[in-house]
Amino acid sequence: DIVMTQSPDSLAVSLGERATINCKSSQTVLYSSNNKNFLAWYQQKPGQPPKLLIYWASTRESGVPDRFSGSGSGTDFTLTISSLQAEDVAVYYCQQYYSTLHSFGQGTKLEIK
Amino acid sequence: EVLLVESGGGLVQPGGSLRLSCAASGFTLSSSTMYWVRQAPGKGLEWIAYIRGSDSRTFYADSVRGRFTISKDNAKNSQYLQMNSLTDEDTAVYYCATEGDWSYLRYWGQGTLVTVSS
Repeated sequence: DIVMTQSPDSLAVSLGERATINCKSSQTVLYSSNNKNFLAWYQQKPGQPPKLLIYWASTRESGVPDRFSGSGSGTDFTLTISSLQAEDVAVYYCQQYYSTLHSFGQGTKLEIK
Repeated sequence: EVLLVESGGGLVQPGGSLRLSCAASGFTLSSSTMYWVRQAPGKGLEWIAYIRGSDSRTFYADSVRGRFTISKDNAKNSQYLQMNSLTDEDTAVYYCATEGDWSYLRYWGQGTLVTVSS
C-alpha cells in the first residue's frame, strides 16, 4: 500500500503571507506511460465535506482561486497558497489515486497567525 | 448539477450491522465509479471502498475488507454500503463521493454519521 505523509501537521501563517504544505508518498505516483502524477489536494472546512482543489498534482479545479497551486512529481509534492486569506483556514489533505487502494495523507491544519 | 445524498446512519451496537445509501442525481451512476470515504471524530479522511463504473469491480481498504460490502443499483441511481461486525472504531461520518474524469474525488455528499456504541 502507498502511504502518504504530510508535513507539517499544523501551520500558522499571517494573512497575505505564503503557506506551503508538503506531501510525500512512500512510492512513486507518477505513471510513466502518460507522465501524470496521480495526486490530488482537498480542502476541508469544519462541518463540511472535503472540496477538490488540485488534481494531477498541479491542475486547479474549476472555480478554485489562483492563489492555490500544486507542484511536485514522483514522490514529493507541495500545495502552495500564495497569499493567505481568512477563508483559507481549513484542513488540507493530499490523496494518491495511483494504486487501486487509494490513500490520503493525515491532513495539515492551517490557521491564521 | 451533481448531487449525492447519504442516508442510513445512526446508532448501532458493537457487532451489529447497518446499511448506508447514497442517492445520486445529475449524472448516470452506471458509468461512474462510486466511493465511500469516512472520517472518525476529530480525525482525518480514510478511503474505505469503491465500485468501478466500467465493470462493477469492488475494492476495499484493509480496515473494512471482509466486513463491508459496496454495491449499487443503476436503476435507482444509488449506491450502498453494507456494514457488518461493527466496532467502535467504525464510528465516523461516512461520505459518498464520485470522481471527475479520473479517480480524484470531485463530488461529495454531506455525509451520514454512524455511531457504534453500547
